[in-house]
Amino acid sequence: AQSVTQPDIHITVSEGASLELRCNYSYGATPYLFWYVQSPGQGLQLLLKYFSGDTLVQGIKGFEAEFKRSQSSFNLRKPSVHWSDAAEYFCADANFGNEKLTFGTGTRLTIIP
Amino acid sequence: NAGVTQTPKFQVLKTGQSMTLQCAQDMNHEYMSWYRQDPGMGLRLIHYSVGAGITDQGEVPNGYNVSRSTTEDFPLRLLSAAPSQTSVYFCASSYKTSGIYEQYFGPGTRLTVT
Repeated sequence: AQSVTQPDIHITVSEGASLELRCNYSYGATPYLFWYVQSPGQGLQLLLKYFSGDTLVQGIKGFEAEFKRSQSSFNLRKPSVHWSDAAEYFCADANFGNEKLTFGTGTRLTIIP
Repeated sequence: NAGVTQTPKFQVLKTGQSMTLQCAQDMNHEYMSWYRQDPGMGLRLIHYSVGAGITDQGEVPNGYNVSRSTTEDFPLRLLSAAPSQTSVYFCASSYKTSGIYEQYFGPGTRLTVT
């Protein structure tokens, strides 16, 4: 069965430092991968998506992610975090690009001054 | 465009009560879905619909009913609430662009069953 793993439950980063959030997917053939962000008490907002083409994708709010098929990974990065980036981040996979998303368990990001 | 709207924002039910969570979208998206979010488990798909009159089960459908009589609305019914249904519920709608479905989420309904 399709699964998405986010190994880090909680990450704390200093403001201005770089960030990398890890995501591994299990369903190999043609992953359709997404990163969503959820601010406290809010719904989910799409940061970026990938299913083909350039393996480095740019998203909103200065985020990027790199698809690495050899490592089954789709890690999210930001060169310099801002206090407003504190939120929960979810990686998701859509099997063959259909409508149904399988989500990881999420990584909560805390920013310290 | 209001996007995806959900009502109510908060609800407390007693065990055995029934209720309907409302979801509406004004983007003319064919596909709509319901997820529940529980701590440490991410979001799990409850039911989904690929168009008016068509619904199907997701990963955790037990205890929930859905119907889709119009493109805009996709209500989720709890027939007899149980404490295990305490959760945050998200509705989403999506459309296919450049070969991939892009989902838009509502703000959520926080449900507590006592």
